[in-house]
Amino acid sequence: KQEVTQIPAALSVPEGENLVLNCSFTDSAIYNLQWFRQDPGKGLTSLLLIQSSQREQTSGRLNASLDKSSGRSTLYIAASQPGDSATYLCAGPPWGAGNKLTFGGGTRVLVKP
Amino acid sequence: EAQVTQNPRYLITVTGKKLTVTCSQNMNHEYMSWYRQDPGLGLRQIYYSMNVEVTDKGDVPEGYKVSRKEKRNFPLILESPSPNQTSLYFCASSLILTSPGELFFGEGSRLTVL
Repeated sequence: KQEVTQIPAALSVPEGENLVLNCSFTDSAIYNLQWFRQDPGKGLTSLLLIQSSQREQTSGRLNASLDKSSGRSTLYIAASQPGDSATYLCAGPPWGAGNKLTFGGGTRVLVKP
Repeated sequence: EAQVTQNPRYLITVTGKKLTVTCSQNMNHEYMSWYRQDPGLGLRQIYYSMNVEVTDKGDVPEGYKVSRKEKRNFPLILESPSPNQTSLYFCASSLILTSPGELFFGEGSRLTVL
């Protein structure tokens, strides 16, 4: 069974600093890897999706990498802003079980002005 | 506007009183799924559906039922709710969870069972 781990559980940085969020998964035969953002009391918003054949995806200040061999994905947020404060979650289904999505516990980010 | 709509958003009920949480998507997505989110346990999948009349259990299906009679709707049914089902519930949909598989979430339904 796929297990997804996110460390650290919480992170506090001053505004302008780059953010690095980590996601580890146990089954390297991953189908794709998604990063989500969740604001308090809200649903999840998809940020980036990396297919297994890709090594990274970029959207604006966000860049996500995928290293299947080491079972890791990293989300980089450049020049953080207070509006980036949220919980970030990763999720990935393994091959053959693409319909069963396992989420990491999330990293709660606080960007201080 | 493309969206996943859940109702009700907030509900307080009592043990044993049957309830249904509705979920509807307007994106013609094939895949729909229900999750519950609990402090310290994260998001866990309850049930999912790959298409109309095709449903399967997730990781925590006990105490829940689902149906998929129409493509756009995927209600979550609690036949006899218990306090351990107090949670924040999310419905999500995707064109199909293979390629590309981007998942769209509803705003959540906070359920309290007394």
